[in-house]
Amino acid sequence: KQEVTQIPAALSVPEGENLVLNCSFTDSAIYNLQWFRQDPGKGLTSLLLIQSSQREQTSGRLNASLDKSSGRSTLYIAASQPGDSATYLCAALSGSARQLTFGSGTQLTVLP
Amino acid sequence: DAMVIQNPRYQVTQFGKPVTLSCSQTLNHNVMYWYQQKSSQAPKLLFHYYDKDFNNEADTPDNFQSRRPNTSFCFLDIRSPGLGDAAMYLCATSRDFGQGRDQPQHFGDGTRLSIL
Repeated sequence: KQEVTQIPAALSVPEGENLVLNCSFTDSAIYNLQWFRQDPGKGLTSLLLIQSSQREQTSGRLNASLDKSSGRSTLYIAASQPGDSATYLCAALSGSARQLTFGSGTQLTVLP
Repeated sequence: DAMVIQNPRYQVTQFGKPVTLSCSQTLNHNVMYWYQQKSSQAPKLLFHYYDKDFNNEADTPDNFQSRRPNTSFCFLDIRSPGLGDAAMYLCATSRDFGQGRDQPQHFGDGTRLSIL
């Protein structure tokens, strides 16, 4: 059974810093790995999707990497802004049922 | 433009009183999902529809049912809500092209369910 872990659970940084969020998964036989953003009381917004054959994806100030063999993915946020404050969740698509398994998220606060 | 719409945003019901949550989509996606997310926890898949085919997760309580009358709409029915069912319920959609070409899931803003 796939398990996804995100560390740290919460992170607070001053504006302008570059930061890395970590995600690990136990079953490396994944189809893809997605990163989502969740604002308080809201649904999830898809940020990046990395197919299993890819090593990284970039969108603006966001860069996500995938290392299937070690069961790890990272989300790099460059030049952080207060508007980046949210909970970031990663999710791995795996299994015969192609089920998306989520981590519990990292709550990011960017201080002005 | 909202693409996955959940109604209502907030729902309060009494212990044991049936409740229905709704989800509609304008994306014409063939797959629809229902997730349960409790406070500070990961979303947990309850079930999903691949077109009209219903797929129930093994650990989804029998108390939870779903209907998908057409491509655009999907409903979550909770027959006898208990206090432990208070949570955010998230609807998501995706287009499955098959052959491993998985596409991102698109989420609605959720319905927050409270049980009195």
